[in-house]
Amino acid sequence: IRMTQSPSSLSASVGDRVTITCRASQGIRNDLSWYQQKPGKAPKLLIYAASNLESGVPSRFSGSESGIDFTLTISSLQPEDSATYYCLQDYNYPLTFGGGTKVEIK
Amino acid sequence: EVQLVESGGGLVQPGGSLRLSCAGFGFSFSDHYMDWVRQAPGKGLEWVGRSRNKANSYTTEYAASVKGRFTISRDDSKKSMYLQMNSLKTEDTAVYYCTRGKLGNYIVFDIWGQGTTVTVSS
Repeated sequence: IRMTQSPSSLSASVGDRVTITCRASQGIRNDLSWYQQKPGKAPKLLIYAASNLESGVPSRFSGSESGIDFTLTISSLQPEDSATYYCLQDYNYPLTFGGGTKVEIK
Repeated sequence: EVQLVESGGGLVQPGGSLRLSCAGFGFSFSDHYMDWVRQAPGKGLEWVGRSRNKANSYTTEYAASVKGRFTISRDDSKKSMYLQMNSLKTEDTAVYYCTRGKLGNYIVFDIWGQGTTVTVSS
C-alpha cells in the first residue's frame, strides 16, 4: 500500500492551523497512525487508529479520516511543533510510511 | 522508566554481517510485538520487520527489501530483540530503531529506542 503524504514541507506562523494529509492507495480502514520526528531524535507517536490521541500528546493535535484520506491537524501551531511528521499504515504488510512533511515556523 | 536501548551498530563492508540488539526496560517485554524501523541518511522512515509476541508464537514479518537477508529473533527472558543482518548492501546504511507495539487492537509504535547507526561501506 502506497501512502502519499502532502505537502512535503510547509512554513507557518505560531498560532496558525496546520493540516497534513496522507492518501492511501487502497482502503486501510482506520489503521493509520501519525508520528513526529525532531532532528536527531527518534519519532514519537501522536495519533493512532486515525483519530485517537496518544496519552500525553497535546490536544492541539488531532486526526481524522475520510475514506482513503487521512488528516493530521495542529489547531494552533507552537514553536516546539517544528518537526517532520509521518503517517504509517498498519492495515497490512509491508507496513508503509508516508514520505514525511517538514513543518517549519516562520 | 519505559525505554528501549539499541546496540551493535557500526561500520561493515558490503557483503558483511552485523547483529543489532534491542533491550527493553520497565515493561512486560513478552506481551508486546516488537519491530525494527530504519532511516537512511536524510531520508524518511522505512519499516524493516516485526516479531510478534509469545501469544502469537513469535512469528515474524519482513519488508521485501530485507527478506532472506535479515532475521529477527527475541529472547524474552533477557527482554531483548535482535536483528541479524547478512549480505549487507550499501543501501542498508541507516539509523536502525527498535520499536514497541502498543498493546490493544492497534499495534502502533508507542515506544522507540534512540537508534543505532549502521554504515555499509568499503
